[in-house]
Amino acid sequence: DAGVIQSPRHEVTEMGQEVTLRCKPISGHNSLFWYRQTMMRGLELLIYFNNNVPIDDSGMPEDRFSAKMPNASFSTLKIQPSEPRDSAVYFCASSFEGLPGTEAFFGQGTRLTVV
Amino acid sequence: AQKVTQAQTEISVVEKEDVTLDCVYETRDTTYYLFWYKQPPSGELVFLIRRNSFDEQNEISGRYSWNFQKSTSSFNFTITASQVVDSAVYFCALSEVANTGNQFYFGTGTSLTVIP
Repeated sequence: DAGVIQSPRHEVTEMGQEVTLRCKPISGHNSLFWYRQTMMRGLELLIYFNNNVPIDDSGMPEDRFSAKMPNASFSTLKIQPSEPRDSAVYFCASSFEGLPGTEAFFGQGTRLTVV
Repeated sequence: AQKVTQAQTEISVVEKEDVTLDCVYETRDTTYYLFWYKQPPSGELVFLIRRNSFDEQNEISGRYSWNFQKSTSSFNFTITASQVVDSAVYFCALSEVANTGNQFYFGTGTSLTVIP
């Protein structure tokens, strides 16, 4: 299995632009998580999907952030408009909820820089 | 409220020293799981170990060992005879088995530097 695949690996954009981050979870996994990592706040859970349905989006910072999971093999995290304070590494992770205690598998992350 | 607390922000040790990383968690669930992840300088998050709430038996795996104590809600991780390759950020995580599925909560991480 190729693992969790995120794209792009790096993204540099200007303030005000729309940014879309993409994630392909591990095949067969039914839970998907988006995390944001910064030096100040560590790993923050942004949103959690289970069976393609958003279960907990309380970590989404504000309305500029949105996430979708149109099917079991694809999810996007969109920031519109982007701001410099959104600069961070964004991780996508997936797990199989049917096996209690199974670990979350992480993608390699997208390093976002908003200038 | 923070569900997982890693009070140690940064630790430096000299190679071959033992080092313990602290983790304190908070949950009302009776069934939960605890994890340690390692994030080396390359950036990926690597799963290391897992423990369920019903098994307080401490374990050793190679140079790694962990101490799970429900009475103090702690899940500490020890590296014996540290090596330079152990330099990384280590995250403790809690998974609560809720009706809506598993959710993972991470601590803020402890940055470990092993000095040669």
